[in-house]
Amino acid sequence: DAGVIQSPRHEVTEMGQEVTLRCKPISGHNSLFWYRQTMMRGLELLIYFNNNVPIDDSGMPEDRFSAKMPNASFSTLKIQPSEPRDSAVYFCASSPADSRYYEQYFGPGTRLTVT
Amino acid sequence: EDKVVQSPLSLVVHEGDTVTLNCSYEVTNFRSLLWYKQEKKAPTFLFMLTSSGIEKKSGRLSSILDKKELFSILNITATQTGDSAVYLCAVRNQFYFGTGTSLTVIP
Repeated sequence: DAGVIQSPRHEVTEMGQEVTLRCKPISGHNSLFWYRQTMMRGLELLIYFNNNVPIDDSGMPEDRFSAKMPNASFSTLKIQPSEPRDSAVYFCASSPADSRYYEQYFGPGTRLTVT
Repeated sequence: EDKVVQSPLSLVVHEGDTVTLNCSYEVTNFRSLLWYKQEKKAPTFLFMLTSSGIEKKSGRLSSILDKKELFSILNITATQTGDSAVYLCAVRNQFYFGTGTSLTVIP
């Protein structure tokens, strides 16, 4: 299996632009998670989906952030408009089932820089 | 407020030393505790612990959970330079992560 796939791997954009990050989970995994990692705040859960349905989006920082999962093999995280403080590494992870007891498998991350 | 606290924040040891990393937590609806290793890229899964007192072991790494005292430890014996990484602890229900312990193993 190819593992969790994220694109792009790096993104540099100017403040105010729209940014879309993409994720393809491991085939057969039912749960998908979006995380943001910064030096200051560490790894933060933004949102997670189970069977394509958003279960908890309490970690989404504000309305500029939105996430969708139109089908079991694809998810997007959108930031509009982007701000310099959004600069971070964004990880997508997937898990085999909506069980509280399964580990997650992380993608390689997207390094976002907003200037 | 739910939280996960890891200690120490950083650690420098010599090859062959044994290290113990700590993770304490206060979360509602605890389901499991997970340990990850993060080198320069994405975290990779090490252990998942759900029951107190049962040691999980993988090679030179082992971990145990104490649900009464709300903590877990990760032990690494006979450390090698390849063990240098940030070790993250996460607690489910909602995947709260600690800020990690940065381990550096010098030859």
